[in-house]
Amino acid sequence: GAGVSQSPRYKVAKRGQDVALRCDPISGHVSLFWYQQALGQGPEFLTYFQNEAQLDKSGLPSDRFFAERPEGSVSTLKIQRTQQEDSAVYLCASSLDGGGGDTEAFFGQGTRLTVV
Amino acid sequence: KQEVTQIPAALSVPEGENLVLNCSFTDSAIYNLQWFRQDPGKGLTSLLLIQSSQREQTSGRLNASLDKSSGRSTLYIAASQPGDSATYLCAVGPSNNNDMRFGAGTRLTVKP
Repeated sequence: GAGVSQSPRYKVAKRGQDVALRCDPISGHVSLFWYQQALGQGPEFLTYFQNEAQLDKSGLPSDRFFAERPEGSVSTLKIQRTQQEDSAVYLCASSLDGGGGDTEAFFGQGTRLTVV
Repeated sequence: KQEVTQIPAALSVPEGENLVLNCSFTDSAIYNLQWFRQDPGKGLTSLLLIQSSQREQTSGRLNASLDKSSGRSTLYIAASQPGDSATYLCAVGPSNNNDMRFGAGTRLTVKP
């Protein structure tokens, strides 16, 4: 597709349920980022991939959060045993470069997760 | 740790006004700075990217400046229109490009 695609757009999960959020980056983009955005706040960094390698996961809030990008394209963010504080919009972004910072990051529409 | 602040948090102006949004950051060792627009319930749309070696970038009615030494960037919007109403976010990219840091955004309302 032409842009970064995320699915589902909306997800309601019962507390304790596991969820999986999908990100399809722009074809050929090397870098992929996941961000968490709480209501009224700017996005907060979660994790970063360069191709299939997860180079930075320092932003993942707990060991309940897990991300993968096994073939260097599609990425999945998994949250186990969801809690109410996990409710947020999860944004995925991709950029063409391999970490040089020369190119723009393009964001998907996000997945709005609500834990009830 | 890099801290990014955007002032004001919210701004309401009549149509046609020129306006300036401010972004400041605490660590001047940045690789680039990017301005985004976010509409309610939507993702982020990239507006302008300024490399650390540049001082400004222009796109249509938008002009962004960067002063690395003072840790500041401004986004200038000329002749504002109701369609410009959105939240504007700035993000600074560190040298490793792993961890773009965002401000909380400025929520702009342009009244017809």
